[in-house]
Amino acid sequence: NAGVTQTPKFQVLKTGQSMTLQCAQDMNHEYMSWYRQDPGMGLRLIHYSVGAGITDQGEVPNGYNVSRSTTEDFPLRLLSAAPSQTSVYFCASSPPRSLGSGELFFGEGSRLTVL
Amino acid sequence: GQSLEQPSEVTAVEGAIVQINCTYQTSGFYGLSWYQQHDGGAPTFLSYNALDGLEETGRFSSFLSRSDSYGYLLLQELQMKDSASYFCVPTGGFKTIFGAGTRLFVKA
Repeated sequence: NAGVTQTPKFQVLKTGQSMTLQCAQDMNHEYMSWYRQDPGMGLRLIHYSVGAGITDQGEVPNGYNVSRSTTEDFPLRLLSAAPSQTSVYFCASSPPRSLGSGELFFGEGSRLTVL
Repeated sequence: GQSLEQPSEVTAVEGAIVQINCTYQTSGFYGLSWYQQHDGGAPTFLSYNALDGLEETGRFSSFLSRSDSYGYLLLQELQMKDSASYFCVPTGGFKTIFGAGTRLFVKA
């Protein structure tokens, strides 16, 4: 019963490097999203997707790209990492809003440090 | 637009009762969820109110008034392990916004 799986759990990058944070869910959820959380703060929505082939921007999309080629996977790409992107990243998924319990299912998080 | 207000910090004594209030403004409102997050962990789902009234789950209860755009989380018989951040999350539209949350400190 995997739920939402994020990889890697920890990553250190140098400024200017690119990388992809992986997120996969096995619950057939239509909705998936990425958040970042900085120390002592809440979660800020980066991008979200309501189904395969459909993505949209959240509160803080700059510097990040996403794609949704399958229902299961929703990778987050950092094109040119900057120290300001040092954060903890959470992926979440949920069933359709009108049918669900309002619950977002979260991955364990990916801790990214950009030097 | 969307807005969300919760107290930034609440301190209470072990064994006491604490209420964390939440006011919100969002479009396409379905319901109000509450999440708990311990330091270093992921948010975990606590409760969801789709209808007005009180929902009880063990020591935790959550209340919603749709007409007032207001809800609260009630924690009873506080334990040290309840020290965490708590987020009220309006479910509406596709942009699920968490806000800064409320930091609860439970003292012995």
